[in-house]
Amino acid sequence: QSALTQPASVSGSPGQSITVSCTGTSSDVGGYNYVSWFQHHPGKAPKLIIYDVIYRPSGVSSRFSGSKSGNTASLTISGLQAEDEADYYCTSYTSSARVVFGGGTKLTVL
Amino acid sequence: QVQLVQSGAELKKPGASVEVSCKASGYSFTDFYIHWVRQAPGQGLQWMAWIKPNNGATNYAQSFQGRVTVTRDPSISTAYMEISRLTSDDTAVYYCARGQLPTLDPNWGQGTLVTVSS
Repeated sequence: QSALTQPASVSGSPGQSITVSCTGTSSDVGGYNYVSWFQHHPGKAPKLIIYDVIYRPSGVSSRFSGSKSGNTASLTISGLQAEDEADYYCTSYTSSARVVFGGGTKLTVL
Repeated sequence: QVQLVQSGAELKKPGASVEVSCKASGYSFTDFYIHWVRQAPGQGLQWMAWIKPNNGATNYAQSFQGRVTVTRDPSISTAYMEISRLTSDDTAVYYCARGQLPTLDPNWGQGTLVTVSS
């Protein structure tokens, strides 16, 4: 099972919006509505920010939103803040009843 | 509140084995899967395996099959992950995370650093 494909890095200025893509196949992202997104600050446990493609856990800012089209899922962060600077990972359920992560995207807030 | 508490850091020699534990509290241990995820230095998160605590069913990422074993002891609400034949490439922080089969939920352990060095 290959890792899902994410851009290595994205950047944006405070207040702007950015989108991170996550491309898989019909055996994972495209086949199930079980895409999640995690925010990861070094030295801390990853934080779930989106699950089941579009849902936010309680307490997660509405500035984070998710979507999916075909084999590609996307995470959008609006109104960028300095605290959003982190690594972001997508995950998907797969047809072999496993989980696969994306390679990760480093977000820099300029 | 839900807590997953992992065992402490380990230093192992190449070829050895290591076992990391993950003790759950604050919920019914057998109602949720436990997933294992690792992050090697400078690398991304990598899913390793899941275990279903109520019956011990498991599934492993292909890259870990045959070398990683996940088990559980429901009587003490603890899951275990053992890696055998360690190499320096296994140096990483290992996390346990609660979830269901399709997804991991917000509850993760604090991470356990395993260092493999001669």
